[in-house]
Amino acid sequence: KNEVEQSPQNLTAQEGEFITINCSYSVGISALHWLQQHPGGGIVSLFMLSSGKKKHGRLIATINIQEKHSSLHITASHPRDSAVYICAVKGSYQLIWGAGTKLIIKP
Amino acid sequence: NAGVTQTPKFQVLKTGQSMTLQCAQDMNHNSMYWYRQDPGMGLRLIYYSASEGTTDKGEVPNGYNVSRLNKREFSLRLESAAPSQTSVYFCASVGQLSSYEQYFGPGTRLTVT
Repeated sequence: KNEVEQSPQNLTAQEGEFITINCSYSVGISALHWLQQHPGGGIVSLFMLSSGKKKHGRLIATINIQEKHSSLHITASHPRDSAVYICAVKGSYQLIWGAGTKLIIKP
Repeated sequence: NAGVTQTPKFQVLKTGQSMTLQCAQDMNHNSMYWYRQDPGMGLRLIYYSASEGTTDKGEVPNGYNVSRLNKREFSLRLESAAPSQTSVYFCASVGQLSSYEQYFGPGTRLTVT
């Protein structure tokens, strides 16, 4: 079993829909990261969380440390949100990576 | 600032050939990393360098060597390429270790035939 599991693996939605991507982990962590990988391949960091909730524009990330679970939400989704969203957790030293969720937003 | 740069962007090798992937960062970061990304899998750590002058193996180091030439540059070498090393390679550097926020290069798409 992978230490970091993301769901769903693939998600296709219509423009304007509310999107939720989930990340569950089985190890003790000090922080959780959400990153976005564009169709061209570039990877950018979106959030780093150790507790609670963070918001940036239409993106909201939450984490529940007790349940070892995090969610990334996108409100009013747009085709430019189409990307792979990756969850990574910081264990004792290195990051442990999820396999990613491929999101496609159709106009 | 250019951030993290990688060269080349694309490369095709024949089995047994060698090559070096170059990575440089201009953010004065101490820690640098090499990952590979295969379809359907998460990023896997090949090697990392916590600071200038140190390197350590990650999850999948076999078939690779690294050099932390100075604080800016961290290179990855394939001595004898194999088809199993066909992948996209990403270099990253870490800003604050407390946040572990990683800054990625654009990637190198390597095909070994």
